[in-house]
Amino acid sequence: SQELEQSPQSLIVQEGKNLTINCTSSKTLYGLYWYKQKYGEGLIFLMMLQKGGEEKSHEKITAKLDEKKQQSSLHITASQPSHAGIYLCGADQSGGGADGLTFGKGTHLIIQP
Amino acid sequence: ETGVTQSPTHLIKTRGQQVTLRCSSQSGHNTVSWYQQALGQGPQFIFQYYREEENGRGNFPPRFSGLQFPNYSSELNVNALELDDSALYLCASSFNRARPVTQYFGPGTRLTVL
Repeated sequence: SQELEQSPQSLIVQEGKNLTINCTSSKTLYGLYWYKQKYGEGLIFLMMLQKGGEEKSHEKITAKLDEKKQQSSLHITASQPSHAGIYLCGADQSGGGADGLTFGKGTHLIIQP
Repeated sequence: ETGVTQSPTHLIKTRGQQVTLRCSSQSGHNTVSWYQQALGQGPQFIFQYYREEENGRGNFPPRFSGLQFPNYSSELNVNALELDDSALYLCASSFNRARPVTQYFGPGTRLTVL
């Protein structure tokens, strides 16, 4: 069964609008990572959240972690064409790191001019 | 600072053949993890290498094997290729003493099995 659920699966947003992507884990989270991927390319690290209530920002992207709900959200403000791509959440669900990261299926983001 | 590099970028093989993919870690990193990403899916963890030994493994059969070298670079070997092995193979490096540990990914190798 899928251990990390992302929603929505795809999103089409007009340039300049705000958007939110969600990630929910069915297991305890020891760390939640957000990556961005251009189609067919490698993953670019955005940010990592570890503690409940933690919030981090990078340029116009903000991520929050709700430890109790085992959920994270990624919010983009005033979207730009450069934000287009696939956003993946990855979780360290073992606490030791040696089991790798478990990823969601990704959210495909399209920015319409 | 050099990022994670992978070679080759693309590869076409036929069913039953064997393939070797290569990865160079980001400078200062001592751990390498390999992932398989099928089309439309998130990456799936294959295994991790630290100090030249397998440190953790996902749900992949033994025909997926790896090596890590003293310079922390790594190889992924896949024997008896099957059509379902067609995917993007991603390598990620990290420094295991960092807290938290963050994995940085290479550009990937696209493997097509015919």
